[in-house]
Amino acid sequence: EPEVTQTPSHQVTQMGQEVILRCVPISNHLYFYWYRQILGQKVEFLVSFYNNEISEKSEIFDDQFSVERPDGSNFTLKIRSTKLEDSAMYFCASKEDPSTDTQYFGPGTRLTVL
Amino acid sequence: AQSVAQPEDQVNVAEGNPLTVKCTYSVSGNPYLFWYVQYPNRGLQFLLKYITGDNLVKGSYGFEAEFNKSQTSFHLKKPSALVSDSALYFCAVRDIESNYQLIWGAGTKLIIKP
Repeated sequence: EPEVTQTPSHQVTQMGQEVILRCVPISNHLYFYWYRQILGQKVEFLVSFYNNEISEKSEIFDDQFSVERPDGSNFTLKIRSTKLEDSAMYFCASKEDPSTDTQYFGPGTRLTVL
Repeated sequence: AQSVAQPEDQVNVAEGNPLTVKCTYSVSGNPYLFWYVQYPNRGLQFLLKYITGDNLVKGSYGFEAEFNKSQTSFHLKKPSALVSDSALYFCAVRDIESNYQLIWGAGTKLIIKP
């Protein structure tokens, strides 16, 4: 069964450094999402992406964040200058098309900012 | 604003007993409701959804959920719990005011004791 994959599973970085989190969505899916979950807190929506552009973003997704689909398979989340409060589990999700509602999630990347 | 509430942080059930994990929602318009499960060190796994139709929705691993419009609830149920059902369960609603992003409950930790 096809699944969403994410790399790395755990990323440790120093405050102020740039990180790139990578996701490979399910191959025929068209909508892509990033969510994050700070330890002990709710899952929060960050951004949705369709047709090579951001379709929606939350207040969390400020200028320090960016997303890209550099090729036909990868979907990346970049944090330009990490802060301590960026430490969280980051989940990528994908969805087939507008008529479906089920988002399929990857296993997540745990980001630790020191 | 749309929201999802999971009133119980943790639910303890003996193996073989029926289980219920509660979820209530607040939306404008018709709700699209989801349950996801998160096993330790794993991503969010889709269990089931309600879009329209029968109020009782059946999903993976023997789980089902009942949509109750008058009580604005979407409780997750299973007739006979297994120890392997122990995990974190999240209820979510699709944000109809936005581009299909999911709004999440805080999660309920389900512990099944042998």
